[in-house]
Amino acid sequence: DGGITQSPKYLFRKEGQNVTLSCEQNLNHDAMYWYRQDPGQGLRLIYYSQIVNDFQKGDIAEGYSVSREKKESFPLTVTSAQKNPTAFYLCASSILLAGRTGELFFGEGSRLTVL
Amino acid sequence: GDSVTQMEGPVTLSEEAFLTINCTYTATGYPSLFWYVQYPGEGLQLLLKATKADDKGSNKGFEATYRKETTSFHLEKGSVQVSDSAVYFCALSDQKGGGADGLTFGKGTHLIIQP
Repeated sequence: DGGITQSPKYLFRKEGQNVTLSCEQNLNHDAMYWYRQDPGQGLRLIYYSQIVNDFQKGDIAEGYSVSREKKESFPLTVTSAQKNPTAFYLCASSILLAGRTGELFFGEGSRLTVL
Repeated sequence: GDSVTQMEGPVTLSEEAFLTINCTYTATGYPSLFWYVQYPGEGLQLLLKATKADDKGSNKGFEATYRKETTSFHLEKGSVQVSDSAVYFCALSDQKGGGADGLTFGKGTHLIIQP
């Protein structure tokens, strides 16, 4: 089955630790995205990548880092510099249509809690 | 910049009631419009979409029409069921100089259907 797999589903972190969230897709999509979801705030874009070895900052990139070494994979690292990391993180992918994002396909999400 | 405004909830209805969730948008270009649904603890799933003015997207009894003159994409369903209880997100994809930088989402509307 084609889709997007995020892991882990739940993650607990102590303050001062970096954590990495995994995102893998087998849809052969060029573009991948990371969103953060907080109650009452909708989805906010952290980072996105349109091609391997290239990525751009979204609206709330501070305290996060990403890599895109393979087309299928787009891991997100939440660093200790992120002041309020407790949130639900969603990875998505899409084809590109005439310079714009097409339909987004989402993973099941990863819930990060800082203790 | 682009933005999406949707009615905030929670919206509580009885089973078999008529549903409308309002969505209006601001975009610099000619956007594609989407409705996504999120069930508790899960990622987002595409519910329907429309790519040009007067297009009607439909799926699972839900409908929305792309109204360029009123910059709106309201979601409707004639008779809701308890299983429709979820959070609904309106979103747009615009063509910008920065490339395919994801979708712009509204804050979401929590829908509760009571038996």
